[in-house]
Amino acid sequence: GQQVQQSPTSLVLQEGENAELQCNFSTSLNSMQWFYQRPGGSLISVFYNPSGTKQSGRLTSTTVIKERRSSLHISSSQITDSGTYLCAMELSGSFNKLTFGAGTRLAVCP
Amino acid sequence: AQTIHQWPVAEIKAVGSPLSLGCTIKGKSSPNLYWYWQATGGTLQQLFYSITVGQVESVVQLNLSASRPKDDQFILSTEKLLLSHSGFYLCAWSLRGSSYEQYFGPGTRLTVL
Repeated sequence: GQQVQQSPTSLVLQEGENAELQCNFSTSLNSMQWFYQRPGGSLISVFYNPSGTKQSGRLTSTTVIKERRSSLHISSSQITDSGTYLCAMELSGSFNKLTFGAGTRLAVCP
Repeated sequence: AQTIHQWPVAEIKAVGSPLSLGCTIKGKSSPNLYWYWQATGGTLQQLFYSITVGQVESVVQLNLSASRPKDDQFILSTEKLLLSHSGFYLCAWSLRGSSYEQYFGPGTRLTVL
């Protein structure tokens, strides 16, 4: 089965609402990254967070190894937050191999 | 500051024709280098990685090959393109070693007709 599962597949918010994106993994991991994928396809790194909690502005990432999950929280969403968010991880035993989730497509409406 | 450049930006090629995509990293010596591919609407997949000049490891077999002729250069190629090769190709780098944060280039859009 899939080693990395992202949820939800898509999400529609009103501007100002909060969003919680999830990434679940089936084995232990060495590293975890969250990316924002632009409509043209290029990736912007949002967080590198193999464990614990990190915050940057309105974005917070929490990775809980024991529960095999990582989340990306977006507070007070803005229209410019719209796009696709990807989680990617280096699974334990797979050095230098990143496995990506299928992504969450976020649309923030005015 | 490190910069990563990919070429070409986009390419339209015929089935059966050869392909060469390039990636150059500036401002970082001896990085790990990676190639990724994403079919339209699909999930990003890692294709290759390299930890040093002349050494490339294959992750997914897609009838493609990769080479690292210089410390700062990574090349993706094939002698015969298939329709299934269409998609978006991304190059990335990280510090030498394992489990480091990866940084991605702008990508190359390939259309095979």
